[in-house]
Amino acid sequence: GQQLNQSPQSMFIQEGEDVSMNCTSSSIFNTWLWYKQEPGEGPVLLIALYKAGELTSNGRLTAQFGITRKDSFLNISASIPSDVGIYFCAGPTGGFKTIFGAGTRLFVKA
Amino acid sequence: NAGVTQTPKFQVLKTGQSMTLQCAQDMNHEYMSWYRQDPGMGLRLIHYSVGAGITDQGEVPNGYNVSRSTTEDFPLRLLSAAPSQTSVYFCASSLRDSNQPQHFGDGTRLSIL
Repeated sequence: GQQLNQSPQSMFIQEGEDVSMNCTSSSIFNTWLWYKQEPGEGPVLLIALYKAGELTSNGRLTAQFGITRKDSFLNISASIPSDVGIYFCAGPTGGFKTIFGAGTRLFVKA
Repeated sequence: NAGVTQTPKFQVLKTGQSMTLQCAQDMNHEYMSWYRQDPGMGLRLIHYSVGAGITDQGEVPNGYNVSRSTTEDFPLRLLSAAPSQTSVYFCASSLRDSNQPQHFGDGTRLSIL
């Protein structure tokens, strides 16, 4: 079946550093979604991408929809302690189903 | 505006017991879904619904039943709980379908002994 591969699995960074993570698939997606999950809560949407090549920002977050439609990237600039959490990529598979990557766990040291 | 509300937040069951996890949304969303989250595996779709009276299976439906009698409510039933169903369960909703971003509840943490 379709799979989304996220890397890295986890990141340990210093406050102020920039962060890059990505999500790849062997299948084509028409939409890429990036969510963040904080401890004890459900995922919350960060950025939605709907067009190949699209680059979208949300504050210090920037995400890109890969030109091949098989990958997406999320960057966080000047990380702060509240950036800690699990970042998921997700892709609707057509019809009414969405698959999620396994997540990238981000740890920020003040 | 409450969004998506899940109850209970925590539950411990014995093997073989049945239970219903409740989910309600107040955003008049047509699409609702249930996921389970296990360590290192992201979220996996259990069942989904595109409107009242319409439900369908997701990736991991075995051992679970759903119904959608109203737009607002989408309960998930465990028929005979098994230790393999120990997980965190999330309910989510979106306006129309899964192409749109989903709003998630805060989850139900379920342990089966």
